[in-house]
Amino acid sequence: AQSVTQLGSHVSVSEGALVLLRCNYSSSVPPYLFWYVQYPNQGLQLLLKYTTGATLVKGINGFEAEFKKSETSFHLTKPSAHMSDAAEYFCAVSEGLTGGGNKLTFGTGTQLKVEL
Amino acid sequence: DAGVTQSPTHLIKTRGQQVTLRCSPKSGHDTVSWYQQALGQGPQFIFQYYEEEERQRGNFPDRFSGHQFPNYSSELNVNALLLGDSALYLCASSSVRTSGRPSSYNEQFFGPGTRLTVL
Repeated sequence: AQSVTQLGSHVSVSEGALVLLRCNYSSSVPPYLFWYVQYPNQGLQLLLKYTTGATLVKGINGFEAEFKKSETSFHLTKPSAHMSDAAEYFCAVSEGLTGGGNKLTFGTGTQLKVEL
Repeated sequence: DAGVTQSPTHLIKTRGQQVTLRCSPKSGHDTVSWYQQALGQGPQFIFQYYEEEERQRGNFPDRFSGHQFPNYSSELNVNALLLGDSALYLCASSSVRTSGRPSSYNEQFFGPGTRLTVL
């Protein structure tokens, strides 16, 4: 079974500082990895995804993530934090289902706080 | 283009009652997945519907059931509610028409969720 571990349930950074949110995965097949963001009282919005090809993936709002197979990691970064980045972030791995379709297995999430 | 919509937004029930949650997928999507997100946790896969049939189920009891209609919309039903069923229920839609790509590629688009409180 596939699984995702997010290290650090809460991360606090200063505005303008580097954001680094950690994600490690476990998968018996080549993984397809996603980062989602959830603002208070809202659903999940896709930030970026890795399927195949380039290991450095760029997403929305200046976020990017690098797939490192040797480290089984897919950490999310942003060079300069903005107050509007404060939210909960989820890393997920996708697993294909018999007959088509897929399900997502999520980590427990990291709450990002941005301080002035 | 309307995204994924869910109703109701909030719901309060008491133990032992039954509840029905509704989801309309994004235009052009034919597959609906349901997830349960308990407080402080990541979403957990409940099941997925395609062509009006349950394709796969996660680790949830039979009290959780669903339905998909010909217009691709879906319902999630929970019987004999327990306090532990209190959570945010998320619906996600996607399309299996992936033009030859593996289905694992499929991006799932999430609705805003239904907050269920069981007292």
